[in-house]
Amino acid sequence: AQTVTQSQPEMSVQEAETVTLSCTYDTSENNYYLFWYKQPPSRQMILVIRQEAYKQQNATENRFSVNFQKAAKSFSLKISDSQLGDTAMYFCAFMKRRETSGSRLTFGEGTQLTVNP
Amino acid sequence: GAGVSQSPSNKVTEKGKDVELRCDPISGHTALYWYRQSLGQGLEFLIYFQGNSAPDKSGLPSDRFSAERTGGSVSTLTIQRTQQEDSAVYLCASSLMWTVITEAFFGQGTRLTVV
Repeated sequence: AQTVTQSQPEMSVQEAETVTLSCTYDTSENNYYLFWYKQPPSRQMILVIRQEAYKQQNATENRFSVNFQKAAKSFSLKISDSQLGDTAMYFCAFMKRRETSGSRLTFGEGTQLTVNP
Repeated sequence: GAGVSQSPSNKVTEKGKDVELRCDPISGHTALYWYRQSLGQGLEFLIYFQGNSAPDKSGLPSDRFSAERTGGSVSTLTIQRTQQEDSAVYLCASSLMWTVITEAFFGQGTRLTVV
């Protein structure tokens, strides 16, 4: 079974600064996907960024980037130039790659990020 | 519709009553997931439907929980004889079949309160 661990229940950052959220996972699979989802107070889960395990290059999406270390099973999220709208719960998630059947998303416990003005 | 729709948004029920939660996925999405999120916690997997395959029910916490998906579209999660520990937000998500990289799109959830 896969497990995802987020060791930082809460974090805070000043507006315009950079913050890094940690995520580690445990799996025996070789082909999988990793995701960061954002959940604001509205409860709507929003995909922030995803990474394919077979790609060595770290994914980036505007101010969001990841540091994917496959051997260490680490997948951290860096948010640059933090904005007040980034305040939310952030979840790291894992999904096995299946060509035809797909599989469940396994989530970490979440990190509550607060961006202070 | 444009996104995943869940109803009701909020549900208050008395302990021992049965409840039904509905999820209307994005049109054409073959995969559908149910998750439970207790206050301040992560997302706990409940059940997963993929096309015409047998659902993955391994996350259902007890036999009081069941789910069905009719016609490969709308899904209903049923909780029988509700208990206070069932109080949580129930989230539904859908995605395309995994032939290409895709993502799971979530609804806004149903907040269930058992009193």
